[in-house]
Amino acid sequence: QQQVKQSPQSLIVQKGGISIINCAYENTAFDYFPWYQQFPGKGPALLIAIRPDVSEKKEGRFTISFNKSAKQFSLHIMDSQPGDSATYFCAATTIKAAGNKLTFGGGTRVLVKP
Amino acid sequence: GAVVSQHPSRVICKSGTSVKIECRSLDFQATTMFWYRQFPKQSLMLMATSNEGSKATYEQGVEKDKFLINHASLTLSTLTVTSAHPEDSSFYICSASPGLAGANVGFFGPGTRLTVL
Repeated sequence: QQQVKQSPQSLIVQKGGISIINCAYENTAFDYFPWYQQFPGKGPALLIAIRPDVSEKKEGRFTISFNKSAKQFSLHIMDSQPGDSATYFCAATTIKAAGNKLTFGGGTRVLVKP
Repeated sequence: GAVVSQHPSRVICKSGTSVKIECRSLDFQATTMFWYRQFPKQSLMLMATSNEGSKATYEQGVEKDKFLINHASLTLSTLTVTSAHPEDSSFYICSASPGLAGANVGFFGPGTRLTVL
């Protein structure tokens, strides 16, 4: 059962444009939602994360928007650059206990054209 | 901080042989480590969760006798793929957690590309 659904599977954006990736979750026990960036042949790297008591979090050009009632959250990449071309994964977990596992979305391959 | 290494980064082996992959937390003690596999253009699939000094917990459908996990110290976990076959070829990634509530943000290693001929 896929508990975190991510869309789109891929997207192409022009340099300077906005990339938007959406995720929806089912398990209401999830209370921590990180986003990861993965380049080909590399492990995922934590990009930004949010808790459900916050509706928006911004770090540089990356912004997470969170809608708790709809059980949805999204990543916006502002002023997209060719170096942002990568695969992005949303994830969800519970942080009430130590060492809880992450549930990943299916991933979105982003290509930023110069 | 929070650096996780994997060794080797790439390995090619013959069918039927066993391969060991190491995962190390370099600047923190990892109470919990996770092992994932990732097929091309797919998401990460959790294989097992290992806690230091205890047996690993395997996800449904993962053969524990085939994928042996040892977490003997707070900085090292190993994954051994026994009697590897071509279908085991994949990208294996570990993740380490300091084991503090609220700190499981998933510090990932760089991955190991396994190719079984």
